[in-house]
Amino acid sequence: DAGVTQSPTHLIKTRGQQVTLRCSPKSGHDTVSWYQQALGQGPQFIFQYYEEEERQRGNFPDRFSGHQFPNYSSELNVNALLLGDSALYLCASSRRGWETQYFGPGTRLLVL
Amino acid sequence: AQSVTQPDIHITVSEGASLELRCNYSYGATPYLFWYVQSPGQGLQLLLKYFSGDTLVQGIKGFEAEFKRSQSSFNLRKPSVHWSDAAEYFCAVGVSGGGADGLTFGKGTHLIIQP
Repeated sequence: DAGVTQSPTHLIKTRGQQVTLRCSPKSGHDTVSWYQQALGQGPQFIFQYYEEEERQRGNFPDRFSGHQFPNYSSELNVNALLLGDSALYLCASSRRGWETQYFGPGTRLLVL
Repeated sequence: AQSVTQPDIHITVSEGASLELRCNYSYGATPYLFWYVQSPGQGLQLLLKYFSGDTLVQGIKGFEAEFKRSQSSFNLRKPSVHWSDAAEYFCAVGVSGGGADGLTFGKGTHLIIQP
């Protein structure tokens, strides 16, 4: 049983560019959450998707957007990249109403 | 809004010694509490969780944690650490079951194991 997978593992972009990160949830999970983890910090909640809709959002600007597909996989899009967007982006999946979020290995984004 | 404080940024423990990592939370009702571990360059692995019931919860890798409502704490303990326990440890709080809500994390405690 595959766990949560994310792609790519690493990414380098320049300021002003746009990036798309991808996540496939654990088998049987229908909810995907995205987190940003800056160096030396704990993860910060970006948003959560369930039934292809954004259900909850953390304190992140509209430059951060997402999508969930019918097979429950998800994308995180970041527009107009800033240097401060450099971080590890973590995807977590869960079953709606269940308690445990399972995390993927993350995508490390570097913005130059 | 809820918050989590992990007062210790770094902790150094000798291999075989006992360990306690502190976590304090702020939330008006009974929270859902979690401890995750992160090895360098890796994602987060769940160690244990508390939702209700027995305030002492057992997790994987020999870890346990105790929920103390009066102190708003959820400290992580292990009786004897191994060199492989060296990692970053995060305490997190959820407010509606964790599966249907975003988690709020502390800043983490970096655990160093001395031989």
